[in-house]
Formats: sequence, structure tokens, C-alpha cells
Amino acid sequence: GNSVTQMEGPVTLSEEAFLTINCTYTATGYPSLFWYVQYPGEGLQLLLKATKADDKGSNKGFEATYRKETTSFHLEKGSVQVSDSAVYFCALSAGGGNKLTFGTGTQLKVEL
Amino acid sequence: SAVISQKPSRDICQRGTSLTIQCQVDSQVTMMFWYRQQPGQSLTLIATANQGSEATYESGFVIDKFPISRPNLTFSTLTVSNMSPEDSSIYLCSVELYNEQFFGPGTRLTVL
Repeated sequence: GNSVTQMEGPVTLSEEAFLTINCTYTATGYPSLFWYVQYPGEGLQLLLKATKADDKGSNKGFEATYRKETTSFHLEKGSVQVSDSAVYFCALSAGGGNKLTFGTGTQLKVEL
Repeated sequence: SAVISQKPSRDICQRGTSLTIQCQVDSQVTMMFWYRQQPGQSLTLIATANQGSEATYESGFVIDKFPISRPNLTFSTLTVSNMSPEDSSIYLCSVELYNEQFFGPGTRLTVL
């Protein structure tokens, strides 16, 4: 079956540090890949997505590249801000029906 | 985008009782989804609810335990029946619109 593995948190960084949150997946066929973010007290929001190999999703300074050869979709940001503190979920959709399979989530804390 | 509200936002319930969670969206949507997020774990899809048909349940979830209604294109309910402490989770509804899934803020359920 489909599965998503992402690095455990919490990840604590200083403001302006470089961020990487690792995500690898197992899926049949050619999944679409997503990063969702959940800010404190809010619902999940789509951060970025990629639908085919070598696509790069980007939004709000965050980027992730769909790497089929390594089955990965790592999230990166060059300079984090305190306002980026949230829980980040990697997810995939495969096999039709638009069902999402989520990773366990990684909490990011950014300090001044 | 879609704006989704859930009621209640949180509840504390006694073992053996049932709770119905409401999900309201501000747009007409065909597909609505119900997810569960147990403490420290990822989101797990419970069922897909299409208007006018019975909900489709994922492996490990049954209609007797999680009955779902979908009376129209903007509303759905999920009932957690005969609750036990293992049902303590955050329950989220989501909708698919414009090829994207939007999530509600979640209902935090604690069963004593």
C-alpha cells in the first residue's frame, strides 16, 4: 500500500536558518505529492504540490522537488521566520479517488 | 478556496456515548472526506462521502461505528458511536474543490 515517511520533530531553528524536512514515499504508479501546513489553532492548508517527476512545487519561499529516483519530496526553505512555526505534513495521492495518505507531521519551531 | 467550519470544535465525552460532528462548507462540492488524527500520529482517512450515495469506508472503519450523512452538497455529519478512550482524536473533514483538498479546523474529541 501507499505510505509516507517524514522526519520526526520537533525541529527547532533560529530565525534565518536553512530548513530541510525530509519526506520519502512508497506508492504504486505515479503519485501526486503535497506539503500541507497547520499553523497553531488553524486547519491544514496546502503549501505546495508536484504532480510528476522532476516537478518543483514552491510557495511562500518553500520548495520541494519530486524525485522519483529516490522517492523523495523534501521540503526546503532558505531562511525561516518565526511565523513559519507550524506542523508540516507530507502527503501523497495515488490510484485515483483523490484520497490522501499523510506522513506523521513534523513540528517546526523557529526562535528569534 | 473553500471555507469549512466544524462543530463542535472540541468535546469531552463519556465512554459508551455517541457524538455527531458537523461539517459545513461555503461551496457546493461533490466529494467530502472525513479523517482522524490520533495523538502523535498522522491523519488517517475514515471515509469518503458523496452526496446522494452511501459513504465509502476505508479498511478498519465501519458504518456502525462511524455513520456518515451527506444530505446536500454543502454539509456532512460524522457520528462516533459507542465511544471508548481509543476514539480520542482530532476529527477533520475536507472537501475537494478545484483539484485541491481543503480542510476544516478539526474537532478535538476526548473520551473518558
